[in-house]
Order: sequence, then C-alpha cells, then structure tokens
Amino acid sequence: GAGVSQSPSNKVTEKGKDVELRCDPISGHTALYWYRQRLGQGLEFLIYFQGNSAPDKSGLPSDRFSAERTGESVSTLTIQRTQQEDSAVYLCASSVRTSGYHEQYFGPGTRLTVT
Amino acid sequence: RKEVEQDPGPFNVPEGATVAFNCTYSNSASQSFFWYRQDCRKEPKLLMSVYSSGNEDGRFTAQLNRASQYISLLIRDSKLSDSATYLCVVNEAGGFKTIFGAGTRLFVKA
Repeated sequence: GAGVSQSPSNKVTEKGKDVELRCDPISGHTALYWYRQRLGQGLEFLIYFQGNSAPDKSGLPSDRFSAERTGESVSTLTIQRTQQEDSAVYLCASSVRTSGYHEQYFGPGTRLTVT
Repeated sequence: RKEVEQDPGPFNVPEGATVAFNCTYSNSASQSFFWYRQDCRKEPKLLMSVYSSGNEDGRFTAQLNRASQYISLLIRDSKLSDSATYLCVVNEAGGFKTIFGAGTRLFVKA
C-alpha cells in the first residue's frame, strides 16, 4: 500500500519567510510525528499527534514552529519567519499500534534550505 | 545524561564479520524498543522491534536487558549492503513519546 508522503521534497526560502510542510500519513495510522534532522545529526523530536488527543508539542524549538493535523489524516508543519538555523530535513512518520508496539514508518522528508 | 545513548562509531568491519551495537536508555519506565537503519540522505527504516525475550530476524539478533537498561543489535555475516547508520529507538510508557539515539555508523568493506 501507499507509504507516508511528504511535500515538497525540497524547499529553498529566504530568511524571514514563512514555510508550510505537508505530510500524508499511511491510511489508518492513528499517530503522526514530526522530526527535524540537521546535517550529520540525529533525529530531533518536534511534535506528535495521537487520534483526537491534544498533541504533544514539547519538542517544538520556538513559537515560530506550529503544526496541525486534521483528524487522522494530513498534517502541516508551519515555520514562521524562517532563520538559517531552521535549515534541515523535516521528517514525518506515522504509526499504528501493533501488539503493544508503535512501529513508525517515515516519509522521505522535506529538505528545507533557508538562505 | 542523554535519554538514549549509542556509540557513534564508526565501526569499520570486513564482509562476513560479526558486529554488535549497544544502546542504553535512561527512563526505566520505557516500554518498547526498536532498531532502525538510515542510509545516507534517506529516511530511517524500521529494522526490527526488540522484544523482552530477544528476537532474531535472519542475520540480525536484538536483545533487551531491562535491569541494566540496554538494548543490543548483533549483525552476523556482514554484507556490504549493511553499511548504514543504526538508530536505537525507545518509546516511553504509554507508547507514543519516542526518543531516537544519535545512531551508530557502520561501514562494511570488501
């Protein structure tokens, strides 16, 4: 079946502009995660959504970052007034409980470059 | 102390070698554990879940030691295609909050 998809695959923006990144999870997956991965670094948790529960926003680095999810479908991550340090790959993952385990499946990511 | 710690490597091994990675986690209430692999400039892909009794999938064996709070991954008969970064992943109690280790790089050489 279809995997997690993300768009755009690449985004180049000028410092100070707003950007919106999109994630389409696997159908039926109740949980959706956003991560940031800077070049040569590990994954940094940003936010997750689980069904209709309040999202866990504890990983968002500043109030310039926000995310929304419509039900159990599409999510958008918005970065306002982008800074050069926001340059990274933004990865989305979705998961469904499997025998007590929440195995995550990742999209290909959006590579954001802030000039 | 980091929540999930891994030896960053790199590990350089010849084809056919056996290599082991360890990972430690700080939250004793953590409930589920995974190994992912990430190829250069690609997204992470699930390699295997780690079960309490240990589990094996072909050349890969995962072990969990709750008392010592560590997870291991053993790769036997290494292939060139095993070259990647291996990520240790821990889900906290309740199952959704996920912490990734920084990864261990493996290079398998002919």
